[in-house]
Amino acid sequence: GAVVSQHPSWVICKSGTSVKIECRSLDFQATTMFWYRQFPKQSLMLMATSNEGSKATYEQGVEKDKFLINHASLTLSTLTVTSAHPEDSSFYICSASPLTAPYGYTFGSGTRLTVV
Amino acid sequence: SQQGEEDPQALSIQEGENATMNCSYKTSINNLQWYRQNSGRGLVHLILIRSNEREKHSGRLRVTLDTSKKSSSLLITASRAADTASYFCATGDMRFGAGTRLTVKP
Repeated sequence: GAVVSQHPSWVICKSGTSVKIECRSLDFQATTMFWYRQFPKQSLMLMATSNEGSKATYEQGVEKDKFLINHASLTLSTLTVTSAHPEDSSFYICSASPLTAPYGYTFGSGTRLTVV
Repeated sequence: SQQGEEDPQALSIQEGENATMNCSYKTSINNLQWYRQNSGRGLVHLILIRSNEREKHSGRLRVTLDTSKKSSSLLITASRAADTASYFCATGDMRFGAGTRLTVKP
């Protein structure tokens, strides 16, 4: 149980285009999902906390207009990287936990974004 | 921002040896969690320890928590080559430390 599906697993896009990443909880409902960014050999940097039915809470320094987060249902959160640039190339990971917390969070398998 | 730091940043041991990783955090917590990440993959939850617990076991894993020192340790006993990965601690607000890269040599 507690499976999180993240899609796509990798994507290459041109500078200036937008990319949407989906994070879906398959067998549980999640009011809160987290989005992270990870550079090679570094830790996960929390970008934002996605709350179902309300606006996401962004960490300091994360541009909310560039990284659009939508959490329209209890099983789906999306991260859209708008007007992507090469510096946005990174590994993006989401996580979620069943409503009956506190349990460990389940992570998606991550999305490798390369902007060319 | 990150919550804390793990040390060491990198650890290399022989198969069969024990591996100990430490995590320090900055604020009060309700729980602390340890995760494992294989290269280029998502994270796998290993163990959660609540703030009122001092020690917890799961298979070859042993986690301790010292809230007075704001620190936790993860011990992997009888390590295997398959344990090679990065290990992270996270506080209840899901902020991660820098991680320890563990290499277990066969």
